[in-house]
Amino acid sequence: EAQVTQNPRYLITVTGKKLTVTCSQNMNHEYMSWYRQDPGLGLRQIYYSMNVEVTDKGDVPEGYKVSRKEKRNFPLILESPSPNQTSLYFCASREISANVLTFGAGSRLTVL
Amino acid sequence: GESVGLHLPTLSVQEGDNSIINCAYSNSASDYFIWYKQESGKGPQFIIDIRSNMDKRQGQRVTVLLNKTVKHLSLQIAATQPGDSAVYFCAERVSNTGNQFYFGTGTSLTVIP
Repeated sequence: EAQVTQNPRYLITVTGKKLTVTCSQNMNHEYMSWYRQDPGLGLRQIYYSMNVEVTDKGDVPEGYKVSRKEKRNFPLILESPSPNQTSLYFCASREISANVLTFGAGSRLTVL
Repeated sequence: GESVGLHLPTLSVQEGDNSIINCAYSNSASDYFIWYKQESGKGPQFIIDIRSNMDKRQGQRVTVLLNKTVKHLSLQIAATQPGDSAVYFCAERVSNTGNQFYFGTGTSLTVIP
């Protein structure tokens, strides 16, 4: 089944404890992206990648890092999480020439 | 970011009635629009899309209307079913931003049996 897989789905952590949210897609998509979803704000793009070793900032990149060493994986790294990063995170992918994104099921992160 | 908003945050309809969900956008350079459906605990899923050179596009039980004059699009769901209960949001592609998409905040649709 074609899908985007995120892990963990739920995580509670404490301020300053580094964490990584993994994202993997099995569709050979070039484009991958991370979003956060907060009440009343909709989906906001954190980082995106057009292909391996190519990453760019989205609208809200502060406090996040990403890497794209392999085409299928696009992990989101929070080096020192803070409570304002408590949110629902979505990873998504698409073919570079396409428009429609395939989203993962989401990762709900709580930073205490 | 771009301004993509929705007129109503919540909408309740009776099962079998038609639903209309609205979305306003602000950028004249937007050339493509997508409606997504997000069910509780799941990621957004594609419903229907429309290009800016079209006024209307129909799918299975869904129709999207685009009014470029007032920068407004709507999603119409015919014969709404309980399984249609979800958050719906529009996304616009702004052609002069490297084909990036900007998402609205969403309308929560509740179907009353």
